[in-house]
Amino acid sequence: DQQVKQNSPSLSVQEGRISILNCDYTNSMFDYFLWYKKYPAEGPTFLISISSIKDKNEDGRFTVFLNKSAKHLSLHIVPSQPGDSAVYFCAASAQNNDMRFGAGTRLTVKP
Amino acid sequence: EAQVTQNPRYLITVTGKKLTVTCSQNMNHEYMSWYRQDPGLGLRQIYYSMNVEVTDKGDVPEGYKVSRKEKRNFPLILESPSPNQTSLYFCASTQAGNAYNEQFFGPGTRLTVL
Repeated sequence: DQQVKQNSPSLSVQEGRISILNCDYTNSMFDYFLWYKKYPAEGPTFLISISSIKDKNEDGRFTVFLNKSAKHLSLHIVPSQPGDSAVYFCAASAQNNDMRFGAGTRLTVKP
Repeated sequence: EAQVTQNPRYLITVTGKKLTVTCSQNMNHEYMSWYRQDPGLGLRQIYYSMNVEVTDKGDVPEGYKVSRKEKRNFPLILESPSPNQTSLYFCASTQAGNAYNEQFFGPGTRLTVL
């Protein structure tokens, strides 16, 4: 039972364009959402997060949008750079310390 | 340098041969956890620990054991590994004992059980 879903296993964009990575969740108890980035042969690293009391959080080129009614969040990267090529994991957390991860989306940014 | 270390990074073993994957963090974090990553399934939590001597099951605890005798160390034990435990394993830690805080991950241990 995957409570956090990333339905696109891969995404390819041109350098300088926008990358949009999507994530859906089913558990309405989730109230904190995070994005992690993972390079090959390394562990995931935290990228950006958002609390359920907000609908947008921005950090430089990265913006996360949350639509609670649709149980959907997205990560926007503008402009995309070749160094952004990695696997991105969406994660959702509830107050009971239960954190669930999606399957990941592999982003490729072409020069 | 603040980090989570795991050893070994790569391990090939045979069915039934007990093994331990070590995890250590130098950030004085209370919360530590183990995940496995499998294609199409993302990261699934195996066990977590809120503090010394406090551990609890995650989503996929079967076939694994953990211990937390010291704050910095959280070893993962496979008493009798089986091929379905072939996976990429990550240890993670965070402060304040709750999963709201972003977790710091180790570099991963790729385990193959023949």
